[in-house]
Amino acid sequence: DQQVKQNSPSLSVQEGRISILNCDYTNSMFDYFLWYKKYPAEGPTFLISISSIKDKNEDGRFTVFLNKSAKHLSLHIVPSQPGDSAVYFCAASAYSGGYQKVTFGIGTKLQVIP
Amino acid sequence: DTGVSQDPRHKITKRGQNVTFRCDPISEHNRLYWYRQTLGQGPEFLTYFQNEAQLEKSRLLSDRFSAERPKGSFSTLEIQRTEQGDSAMYLCASSFGRENIQYFGAGTRLSVL
Repeated sequence: DQQVKQNSPSLSVQEGRISILNCDYTNSMFDYFLWYKKYPAEGPTFLISISSIKDKNEDGRFTVFLNKSAKHLSLHIVPSQPGDSAVYFCAASAYSGGYQKVTFGIGTKLQVIP
Repeated sequence: DTGVSQDPRHKITKRGQNVTFRCDPISEHNRLYWYRQTLGQGPEFLTYFQNEAQLEKSRLLSDRFSAERPKGSFSTLEIQRTEQGDSAMYLCASSFGRENIQYFGAGTRLSVL
């Protein structure tokens, strides 16, 4: 049961253009959402997050949008740079058993073409 | 470097052997998590520690898997009688208090021949 879905396994974008990565979730108990970035042979690195009480969070070139009614979030990267080429994991968390339990999507591989 | 450290980075073993991985979390972090990641998948939760107490285990964690965090600092994950299906990247993460963000180590890649 995939509670966090990233339906696009890969995405190619020209350098300087906008990259939009999408994520859908099914569990309405999720109250915090995160994006992680992963380079080969490294662990996931936290990128940006958003609480369910907000609909937008921005950090430099990265913006995350949350649409709770649609159970959808997206990560916008603008302008895209070749160094952004990586796998991006969408993650969602809910308070369960005394801690924020995180569920990950399967990832979207972003390639930024110079 | 004060990030999450995992050792070894790579482990090749023969089926049936036991393996043990170590994770050193960020020093002030009281929460520690183990995940497993296979090709084309996201990290899958295995187990969670708050200080030295193991508070949750996934059903993915069969009886052959055991994890400890004896002094609430570093943690070990042991797999007994390894099977080829255990081949994966084993990731450790840590966090502090009620903070939602988990910080990951580079992982240990296990190959079972």
